[in-house]
This record gives sequence, C-alpha cells and structure tokens, in this order.
Amino acid sequence: GQQLNQSPQSMFIQEGEDVSMNCTSSSIFNTWLWYKQDPGEGPVLLIALYKAGELTSNGRLTAQFGITRKDSFLNISASIPSDVGIYFCAGLIQGAQKLVFGQGTRLTINP
Amino acid sequence: GAGVSQTPSNKVTEKGKYVELRCDPISGHTALYWYRQSLGQGPEFLIYFQGTGAADDSGLPNDRFFAVRPEGSVSTLKIQRTERGDSAVYLCASSPSGSSYNEQFFGPGTRLTVL
Repeated sequence: GQQLNQSPQSMFIQEGEDVSMNCTSSSIFNTWLWYKQDPGEGPVLLIALYKAGELTSNGRLTAQFGITRKDSFLNISASIPSDVGIYFCAGLIQGAQKLVFGQGTRLTINP
Repeated sequence: GAGVSQTPSNKVTEKGKYVELRCDPISGHTALYWYRQSLGQGPEFLIYFQGTGAADDSGLPNDRFFAVRPEGSVSTLKIQRTERGDSAVYLCASSPSGSSYNEQFFGPGTRLTVL
C-alpha cells in the first residue's frame, strides 16, 4: 500500500531556532495535510495543501506541496516551547478518502 | 463549536472480551473515519462512512472488527474477542463531506488496553 516516509524521526533544537521536516512517497497524492499531536490528544490540523507547488503559511508555519505531488515539507520559524510535540504528514490519493500518515517527527525544544 | 468527541477515553478489558467505542462527530459532518494508532506510529485507516453507509472498510484488520453509523451521526466501533494486539489508541475523525478537499478533524481518541 501507499507509504509516506517522514524525516527526521526526531529533532532536538534550541528555542528560537527554525525547524524543517519533510515527507516523501512513491505514490502521487491529491492533498497533503500536516497535523500536530500532543500526548494523550488526537492530531490537530495545522495546514492543508491542495495544489502541486502550493505554498501555504499559518503563522510561523509554512508548508509546501511538492511539484511532483510526491512530497511535502513543513517549516516552523522561531520555535517556542509550545511547538513541542509530534508532527505528522498525511496524504490523500485521488478517489480515496483514507489518509495515509507518515511515521511522525518528534520535536523537542531545549530552553 | 464542539469538536469530535469519543468515549470512553480509556478502556481496559481482558483478552476475549467484546468492546464498543463511540464517536460523536462534529455536527453537520457527513463523513466519519476511524483510525488506529499504535505506540510510536502514525494513525492507520480502518473504515470510512459517508452518511450511514460504510464507503470503505478496507482497513479493518479482520472480521472481529465492525463499525456502524445507523443514523448518519454517532458511530460505534465494535471489537469482538479482543486480543492483546488490539491494544492501541482508536481515533475518530469527521469532515464536512467526503471529497478530497475536506480536512479531517480528529477526536482525542480512546486508548484500548487488552490484558
């Protein structure tokens, strides 16, 4: 089945640093979504991307839908303590409704 | 407005028992999804409802798993003869409709532990 390869698996950064993570796939996706999950909670939607090449921002977050439709990245600028958590990319293929998730990137911020 | 709610938040059961997990989607959302998340992994799709009907149940692991949505709103995921390998967080999500342009909004999940 479809798989998303998300990297890095974990990041340890200093507060104030910028963060970058990405997802790649061998399959083409119609939609890319980025979620954040805190312990004991469900994933919370951060950004949705619908067109190849699309670049979308949400505050300090910026995400892009790769031109080949097989990849996406998420950047977080000037990280703050509340950015700590696990970030997931997820994709939808055309004609299907099931999200395919990456393995997650665990972000830890050193004060 | 109210988000997706799931009950119970935690369920501990013994191997071989039957369990039911409930999902209450965002009001007006016609599409409802169930996912399962194992420790350290991303969620994995189980089943998708459009209205009352299961439009895609390809993610259900075996016939011990079944889900219903009789009135097109609340959904129940049912697991028969539970096994230790069923232990996971079961997540429910809803979206306004089933098109690819609708984001899925998740509930907090039910953590199922099978002893």
